[in-house]
Amino acid sequence: QVQLQQWGAGLLKPSETLSLTCAVFDGSFSGYYWTWIRQPPGEGLEWVGEINHSESSINYNPSLKSRVTISLDTSKNQFSLNLNSVTAADTAVYYCVRRQKPIPDAYDMWGQGTLVSVSS
Amino acid sequence: EIVLTQSPATLSLSPGERATLSCRASQSISNYLIWYQQKPGQAPRLLIYDASNRATGIPARFSGSGSGTDFTLTISSLEPEDFAVYYCQQRRDWPITFGLGTRLEIK
Repeated sequence: QVQLQQWGAGLLKPSETLSLTCAVFDGSFSGYYWTWIRQPPGEGLEWVGEINHSESSINYNPSLKSRVTISLDTSKNQFSLNLNSVTAADTAVYYCVRRQKPIPDAYDMWGQGTLVSVSS
Repeated sequence: EIVLTQSPATLSLSPGERATLSCRASQSISNYLIWYQQKPGQAPRLLIYDASNRATGIPARFSGSGSGTDFTLTISSLEPEDFAVYYCQQRRDWPITFGLGTRLEIK
């Protein structure tokens, strides 16, 4: 059973860079899209961006595009999120997620989530 | 971007009752609509993909329908473990967007 395990700093100051990494265990890394989705406390889900295994397709949420980078390390079966110049509005639980295509072409496997708080 | 509007925001029902949750898209998304369930402190779980297909391991009491702009998630007979927040998501166009959710609570 594939597992996604994520880690990264949980407390940041404004203007710092958020960095999270997600490792994929017991499953193939190839053939999937690797995604970050966030959820502010008590709120709904916001798609941050995703990358396919070959890095030929990378898409970001336009609301974050100037600040976000998603990258892969295929040698380690890991992918990462960097979000620079964070503000309090970036406080959220960040999930790393697998998107399986072509079927179901949905987010079928989720990491445990990392709460990132931005506060001075 | 495509906006998804879920209704009602909160639905209060009793175990054994039928639940009907709605998701409306701001433009046609064909059948590219997905439903998730989220319980407190947990990551979302995939329920339904492409509007009407149950994901692996999802009980038959969950069903989805609709196409174009109007979609419905139905839970035929509520079990205690079904009380949670439900989100719809579209994959028709970038950026991927989610609805704000419907909270299904015990009456």
